[in-house]
Formats: sequence, C-alpha cells, structure tokens
Amino acid sequence: GAGVSQSPRYKVAKRGQDVALRCDPISGHVSLFWYQQALGQGPEFLTYFQNEAQLDKSGLPSDRFFAERPEGSVSTLKIQRTQQEDSAVYLCASSPGANVLTFGAGSRLTVL
Amino acid sequence: EDKVVQSPLSLVVHEGDTVTLNCSYEVTNFRSLLWYKQEKKAPTFLFMLTSSGIEKKSGRLSSILDKKELSSILNITATQTGDSAIYLCAVEGGETSGSRLTFGEGTQLTVNP
Repeated sequence: GAGVSQSPRYKVAKRGQDVALRCDPISGHVSLFWYQQALGQGPEFLTYFQNEAQLDKSGLPSDRFFAERPEGSVSTLKIQRTQQEDSAVYLCASSPGANVLTFGAGSRLTVL
Repeated sequence: EDKVVQSPLSLVVHEGDTVTLNCSYEVTNFRSLLWYKQEKKAPTFLFMLTSSGIEKKSGRLSSILDKKELSSILNITATQTGDSAIYLCAVEGGETSGSRLTFGEGTQLTVNP
C-alpha cells in the first residue's frame, strides 16, 4: 500500500487479556520498528526488525511483550496478560533502510 | 542512556507569529537528528539533519543543528492554525546498528486565529 497500515486502530482489553496488534509496512521496506507512545509523551522504542530478523528487542518492557515478522513484511506485536500500564498508542514504522521512518497511524490500546 | 529534551513543552501563539522550538540531546555515536510533526495520527517527517547537512528549510519551516551545543531548533514563521500539532525531535545514535530513534516528549504548539 501507499503507507504503513496498522490494525486495529482502537482496542479495549480487560486486564489480563492477550492482544495482538498488526502492522503492514510499506512494500519493500526492509526495516520495521515498533514504538510505544504513552499519553503526553514521545514515542519510546520497543523493537526493530531487518527483514524477518529481530535485531533489537531491548525496548520491550517485559516478557509479556513479543513481536514477530516471520516473512519479512507484516509484523505482529503481541501483549500477553495486559496490565493497565500497557495502555498507550503503539506505533509501527518502516523504512527502506535509511534513517527516515514512515509511521502508521497507530493502534490505541486501552486496558481496563 | 540516550536522552532528548525538548522545550517548551507547550506553546500558544496567534496566527502570524514566529515560533522557535528547542531540542537538546545526549547520545552516543550521534548519526542524525530528525523533526516530526504529529497531529492526531501518525508522526510525519519534516527534516533530517546530519553532520553534513546542518541547516534545512522548507517553506515557512527551517531547522538548524548545532553539533557543538548538541542541540537543534525548529523555526516556523508566519504561523497558521494548520501548524497546530505536537512537534517531535528524535535522535539516531547508539551502539547498535539500525535506525533506532530516541524521541523527546514533544512540544505541543497551538496556533489561535
């Protein structure tokens, strides 16, 4: 597609539920990033893929967070046993390998 | 730990005013500094500044990188209501390869008619 597509745009989960957030990057973009943006804050790095390889997952806040990109295109961010502090906008971004990232509109997660 | 600090955190101006947004950073192995504009959706790219390109201009927006002071400014002249947004500064650097960006908190700019 023309841009980075994320789904769902909004997700409400009960505490303890598992959620899965999907990212469709721009076709051909090698690099894919996930960021977490809490209300009133700048985005914070979660993880980075180059093709299907997860090269950096140092930003994942706990082992409840897991990301994959099995075929080097679509990526899924999974959060297990959600907690209230997981409430945030999850931004996906892709790039052809250079520094300038193109962001998706984000998935807003609210954990009740 | 890499750090990016933006100021002011919020700013309210009238149409036609000129504004200057500030960004300072501490990062190992600095590679580039980027400015993004975020309305109620995806951050959109404005400028990238590197050692070889320390000043950029596009229409009413311009940005300068001061590598000595480890800072950057974003200027917007003749502001319009459509400039109302959060302006994010991000720095690329660090020990690992790839384009990991460290963002500041952002400056919330409101332009009133």
